[in-house]
Formats: sequence, C-alpha cells, structure tokens
Amino acid sequence: DAGVIQSPRHEVTEMGQEVTLRCKPISGHNSLFWYRQTMMRGLELLIYFNNNVPIDDSGMPEDRFSAKMPNASFSTLKIQPSEPRDSAVYFCASSFRLGGGEKLFFGSGTQLSVL
Amino acid sequence: DAKTTQPPSMDCAEGRAANLPCNHSTISGNEYVYWYRQIHSQGPQYIIHGLKNNETNEMASLIITEDRKSSTLILPHATLRDTAVYYCIVRVSGNTPLVFGKGTRLSVIA
Repeated sequence: DAGVIQSPRHEVTEMGQEVTLRCKPISGHNSLFWYRQTMMRGLELLIYFNNNVPIDDSGMPEDRFSAKMPNASFSTLKIQPSEPRDSAVYFCASSFRLGGGEKLFFGSGTQLSVL
Repeated sequence: DAKTTQPPSMDCAEGRAANLPCNHSTISGNEYVYWYRQIHSQGPQYIIHGLKNNETNEMASLIITEDRKSSTLILPHATLRDTAVYYCIVRVSGNTPLVFGKGTRLSVIA
C-alpha cells in the first residue's frame, strides 16, 4: 500500500493566488482529515469527511478555505485567495472505521509558502 | 482543547529505555489513549493505542494505570532515529479526529 499521497510536496505562490492541495487516501478508508501545522499553533484540524460527506468544518479558518471530496479516492483543499498567513504544512490523513481504536494514517504533507 | 498533559521535552541516552509520561485525568470510559510521533518534516506516525490494558507492539509498550488517569509510553531501546515529538491523545472510538497538543520533544543522545 502506498499510504496517503499528497501533492504537491511543496508549493510557493504569491498572495492573492488560488492554491489547491490534493490528497489520495488509502484505498478502502472511509474517513479523511485535513490538518494544518504551524510553529505557533501546532497541528490543527481543519475539516474531516466520513464516507465523502463533510462532518465538521469548524476548523476551517475563513471562507477563503474550502474542501471537497468528490469520491472515496480523492480530496482537495483550496485556498482562494491565498495570504501569507496561510503559509504552513498541510497534512491529510485517512482511516477506516473498525468499531473502535481506529488509526489515522498521515501523508507526508504539503509545505505551502505564500509570498 | 487537548485533554492530556505531557512534559515539553525529555532526553534519553541511546540504547536506554525512554519512558514518556502522559496525564489524562479527565478521560472518559469510552476514550482510548493513542500515541503518535512526528519526526522532523514528516507526517505524524501511529505508535500504539489502548483502552484499559497494557499494550505492546513492535515499536513500543503502553502502560495505562488502573484508574486510567495516566499512561506511559516505553521505547525499550531508544535509537537516534527515535528523536521526535511524541503526542499522547485521548479519543473516543469511531472515525473521530485526533486533537493534538504540544507533545513531548524526545531527544535521543549518543
């Protein structure tokens, strides 16, 4: 299994541009999570999906952020327009419901720099 | 908010056991204790989890007190590659998110 795959690994963009981060969860997993990590705030949950349906997006900082999961094998996190304070590492994770003690598996992250 | 308390940092000599404590005094009966670690620039990695009983796998052992208000993660023979931030997390079962605190930065020293 290739694990959770995120792309791109690094993204450098200018303020005001649209940024799209992509995630392919582990095959067969039915939950997907987007996290953001900064030095100041640590690892923060942005949004998560169960069976492709958004369950909790209360962590999404602003309307500039949106996330979609059109099918079980793909999700996107979009920032439009981007701002320098959005610079962070964005992680995607997936898991499979077993009835207890589920493990989250994380991707390698996307390092976003907004200039 | 994280429901756990961990020391911000610890050192351990290479080859020795690393014992990382965690307090979770408000844990509920249906909450598991999870441990993850994050090596620099990588995504968090699952280590181990437990509900009531002690657990052991190829990476570590998890010791949970009888009242479940605290636990200890044990890396039996720490190596330099175990240098990382270790997160203790309590979480109910089901596909709910992990809520990360600040963790313990473990430095394994040669």
